[in-house]
Amino acid sequence: QVQLQESGPGLVKPSGTLSLTCVVSGASISSSNWWSWVRQPPGRGLEWIGEIYHSGNTNYNPSLKSRVTISIDQSNNQFSLKVTSVTAADTAVYYCALCSGGACYFWGQGTLVTVSS
Amino acid sequence: DIQMTQSPSSLSASVGDRVTITCRASQSISRNLNWYQQRPGKAPKLLIYAASDLQSGVPPSFSGSGSGTEFTLTISSLQPEDFATYSCQQSYSTPITFGQGTRLDIK
Repeated sequence: QVQLQESGPGLVKPSGTLSLTCVVSGASISSSNWWSWVRQPPGRGLEWIGEIYHSGNTNYNPSLKSRVTISIDQSNNQFSLKVTSVTAADTAVYYCALCSGGACYFWGQGTLVTVSS
Repeated sequence: DIQMTQSPSSLSASVGDRVTITCRASQSISRNLNWYQQRPGKAPKLLIYAASDLQSGVPPSFSGSGSGTEFTLTISSLQPEDFATYSCQQSYSTPITFGQGTRLDIK
């Protein structure tokens, strides 16, 4: 059974850096899938942040591209998200997901990150 | 970016009803359209991929259709566990984009 689990600080100060990790079990991060991050501000819809392939190839949402880095750690079967210069608008539930052919088949439970001083 | 617009934004229905949710893309996306169900406080769950393919384990009461710019999700007979928010997602090109969601409530 494929499982993804997000972890990281639940509170980040404005202008700081949001850092999250997604640990994958039941599937190899080296498999032919895209590993994605999606976020959902409170009471709003889903927003795609970006994705990474096991080769390290990445795609980012242009609306966030200048502030986002997604990386992969094959030795620990996990991938990570960094968002710099955060503001209150970055407050959201952040999900990691395993996607193939564009559809996201497995999701983490999500983690709420609040940007506040 | 490809804009995805769902209608209606909210819908009230009763157990046993048949409901249809529409998703329109701002340009043709062929059949690169996926549907998700999301219950409060939970992660999205894939229901339909490639416009009409039912994800494993999803009840056959769910079906999807469409191509190009117009797509529909139909639930043939609502069950109590179906009351949730439904979102479409295009995977034709990056950035991947989602519809704003359709909230399905019990009447």
